[in-house]
Amino acid sequence: QSVLTQPPSVSGAPGQRVTISCTGSSSNIGARYDVHWYQQLPGTAPKLIIYGNNNRPSGVPDRFSGSKSGTSASLAITGLQAEDEADYYCQSYDTSLSGWVFGGGTKLTVL
Amino acid sequence: QLQLQESGPGLVKPSETLSLTCTVSGGSISSSSYYWGWIRQPPGKGLEWIGSIYYSGSTYYNPSLKSRLTISVDTSKNQFSLKLSSVTAADTAVYYCARGYSSSWSKIDCWGQGTLVTVSS
Repeated sequence: QSVLTQPPSVSGAPGQRVTISCTGSSSNIGARYDVHWYQQLPGTAPKLIIYGNNNRPSGVPDRFSGSKSGTSASLAITGLQAEDEADYYCQSYDTSLSGWVFGGGTKLTVL
Repeated sequence: QLQLQESGPGLVKPSETLSLTCTVSGGSISSSSYYWGWIRQPPGKGLEWIGSIYYSGSTYYNPSLKSRLTISVDTSKNQFSLKLSSVTAADTAVYYCARGYSSSWSKIDCWGQGTLVTVSS
């Protein structure tokens, strides 16, 4: 069981907007540690798409955005495209584990 | 451009020790700005942090693996390594090495391609 909780799956039609939630606790997200998001395409390593709660690395489309409030965070994807179909993971730091923690991952299906 | 590359046996027998090395190229492992870590992903499952190391040798281990785990760094070779003892089938996974920013244990900005390690007799 993952320290951060994500829905197992979400789906949306091309052009639509979807959100993926990430719920933590007072020892990680609630302790004011940043949340980061990764996209993992099949058979590849995860790729950073949002860092520091709401910042995009160079080259990541502005269709991807992040937010954080309290002990939770969210990833939003607007203008859904077929190429967005992937697994998405949230990540933060946990003071109890003294290390990185991940969500269980959310599979995004583009209908 | 920073690159990380995992290397090591793809098949390990139960009860033996899993050993992997991550070679860092295009940057120095001796930077004070980063932690170097290991993350694994069992087939069809999510990501699990194994442990991390600082260039000075300070280590941070996942408590669930700590009793079996050793992570070390060789700054002269720009490498860091993982040893996981007494492995079982539950340790079968793709193992990634990665670089994370040390400031407030921030983002992981570079990953190796991953290497599948199967535990089987």
